[in-house]
Amino acid sequence: GESVGLHLPTLSVQEGDNSIINCAYSNSASDYFIWYKQESGKGPQFIIDIRSNMDKRQGQRVTVLLNKTVKHLSLQIAATQPGDSAVYFCAEIKAAGNKLTFGGGTRVLVKP
Amino acid sequence: GAGVSQSPRYKVAKRGQDVALRCDPISGHVSLFWYQQALGQGPEFLTYFQNEAQLDKSGLPSDRFFAERPEGSVSTLKIQRTQQEDSAVYLCASSWGRSNEKLFFGSGTQLSVL
Repeated sequence: GESVGLHLPTLSVQEGDNSIINCAYSNSASDYFIWYKQESGKGPQFIIDIRSNMDKRQGQRVTVLLNKTVKHLSLQIAATQPGDSAVYFCAEIKAAGNKLTFGGGTRVLVKP
Repeated sequence: GAGVSQSPRYKVAKRGQDVALRCDPISGHVSLFWYQQALGQGPEFLTYFQNEAQLDKSGLPSDRFFAERPEGSVSTLKIQRTQQEDSAVYLCASSWGRSNEKLFFGSGTQLSVL
């Protein structure tokens, strides 16, 4: 099948190392942010979310950081594994809105 | 099945042909969304249903695009007189509530217009 993200920024990371993926958003009215993982030939899969009244949220091996001052979102993956190889997208929802807007993606390649 | 199902998985159409793409959301999900994803890009919103009501179709690129969800479950996205620029992956997503938080996406239909 066709691969998503052939021309995306790429982060190469050694297996076992930590990964950090960054995303800048433009809409200061956004109040809910989500990170999605998309593997080749599949739809986006929810990873973790954060509301604008928080600056950090942790999940299993993943942490999302939100800096509203500079409108920056990051996803940290601890001990990156080969199964983490995918394209990662940040997405946002405006306050009282119902439209999920995706940012540009980042391809993560995990080297064994 | 347990997830969002889309068919066909791949569709090749000649320019000018009409196509219909089907989405079976997760049973009981109220909200249903269609997105278009061009190669190397993030998904772009097309339209949103709450049960059978189409509440937002602001993302549909032209009047050649039409979506329906007549019984509040299965949805069909129809594209009339397809053009080459319509080539993309069309993703369907659904969620329990009346918002697009915690969306579950299908694997998409890859449309190629020749």
